[in-house]
Amino acid sequence: KQEVTQIPAALSVPEGENLVLNCSFTDSAIYNLQWFRQDPGKGLTSLLLIQSSQREQTSGRLNASLDKSSGRSTLYIAASQPGDSATYLCAVDAGNNRKLIWGLGTSLAVNP
Amino acid sequence: DAGVIQSPRHEVTEMGQEVTLRCKPISGHNSLFWYRQTMMRGLELLIYFNNNVPIDDSGMPEDRFSAKMPNASFSTLKIQPSEPRDSAVYFCASSPQTVGEQYFGPGTRLTVT
Repeated sequence: KQEVTQIPAALSVPEGENLVLNCSFTDSAIYNLQWFRQDPGKGLTSLLLIQSSQREQTSGRLNASLDKSSGRSTLYIAASQPGDSATYLCAVDAGNNRKLIWGLGTSLAVNP
Repeated sequence: DAGVIQSPRHEVTEMGQEVTLRCKPISGHNSLFWYRQTMMRGLELLIYFNNNVPIDDSGMPEDRFSAKMPNASFSTLKIQPSEPRDSAVYFCASSPQTVGEQYFGPGTRLTVT
């Protein structure tokens, strides 16, 4: 059974710091992995999607990596800003009827 | 495009009442997902439709829950009768059939007292 874990559960950093959020999954047979952002009281916004054949994806200050063999993905945020404060979730698509398996998220606070 | 639209945004109801949540997916998207989010369990997929047909409803917790998608632009999730433990945020998401990215609506916060 696929399980997704995100560490840490919460993170507080000063503005400008580079940071890494971690996501691990138990079954390496995945179709893709996605990182989402959720702002309080709002829905989820897709940030990056990494196909199983890819090693990383980049969008602006965000870089997501994928290591299927070790069951790990990281989301790197460069030069963090207060506007980056949100909960970040990773989700694994095992290809089984398109069902995403979700982590519980990392709550990020970037302090001015 | 307005994105995925959900209504209502907030619903407060008493135990035993019927609750109907509504979703309008992004035009042209062939897949629609209903999720439930709680603090303890995070996001859970309840049911998934492809081309208006339910594909996987294994996440529907009980027979009290039912979902329909009568056409490509509308879906409902119904809880009858509702119970306090159903209190959660319910999200609808849609995606194009050929890619994996899902687009989420703003959610409906349900409180059952």
